[in-house]
Amino acid sequence: EPEVTQTPSHQVTQMGQEVILRCVPISNHLYFYWYRQILGQKVEFLVSFYNNEISEKSEIFDDQFSVERPDGSNFTLKIRSTKLEDSAMYFCASTISSGRLHEQFFGPGTRLTVL
Amino acid sequence: DQQVKQNSPSLSVQEGRISILNCDYTNSMFDYFLWYKKYPAEGPTFLISISSIKDKNEDGRFTVFLNKSAKHLSLHIVPSQPGDSAVYFCAASVQGGSEKLVFGKGTKLTVNP
Repeated sequence: EPEVTQTPSHQVTQMGQEVILRCVPISNHLYFYWYRQILGQKVEFLVSFYNNEISEKSEIFDDQFSVERPDGSNFTLKIRSTKLEDSAMYFCASTISSGRLHEQFFGPGTRLTVL
Repeated sequence: DQQVKQNSPSLSVQEGRISILNCDYTNSMFDYFLWYKKYPAEGPTFLISISSIKDKNEDGRFTVFLNKSAKHLSLHIVPSQPGDSAVYFCAASVQGGSEKLVFGKGTKLTVNP
C-alpha cells in the first residue's frame, strides 16, 4: 500500500541553525501539506502546496519557513533559523487531486528538537 | 482559537463495549469532518469521514454521527477492541481552497481486555 515517507525521523539542531525536513508524498497525489504538533498540543496546519506554489499558509508559517518540491517526488520544509519553540513533530501529508480530496494521508513525522 | 474541540482528553472502555468519542466545532463554514487515529511514533491515520449533507456514515465497526444544528459530531466504535487503543483526532475542513484540516486536541482511548 502506498504511503507517505519522511526523513529524518528525528532531527536535533542548535538554535539558529537551518534544518530541512524531507517528505516523499504518495506518487499520484497532487496536493501537499505540512502540519506540526507541539508536545501536548493539537496538530496545527502550516502550509499547503499545489501546482508548485503555496495555496495557503498559516500565521505560524513566517519568513523563516519555506517549502519546495525540487524534483517531482520530494517535498521539503526548510526552517532557516530555528528557534526553541520550533521543537515539535512535523507531519507531511498528501492527497489526490479530486474525488476524495479531503482524505489526507500522513507520514510518520519528523521529531525536531531545537537546543 | 479552538474551532474544533474535543473536551475529553481520555476515555477508558471495556473490550466489547461501545466507545463514544465526541467533538464540537464552532466554525459554521466547515462542511467536511474526519476522524483520524494516531498511535505513538506514527502519523495520523484516516479512519472515517462525513460530509455536512449527511448525518451518519458507517464503516464496519465505526460510525460517525453529525448534528449540524448542535455543531457536534461523534464517533462510535462497536464493539471496541484492545487494538483500538490510540489517540483519536477529530478534524474539519472547508471545501474549496487549500482544504486544510483543523484538528481537535485528541482523545486518548484505552480499551481494556
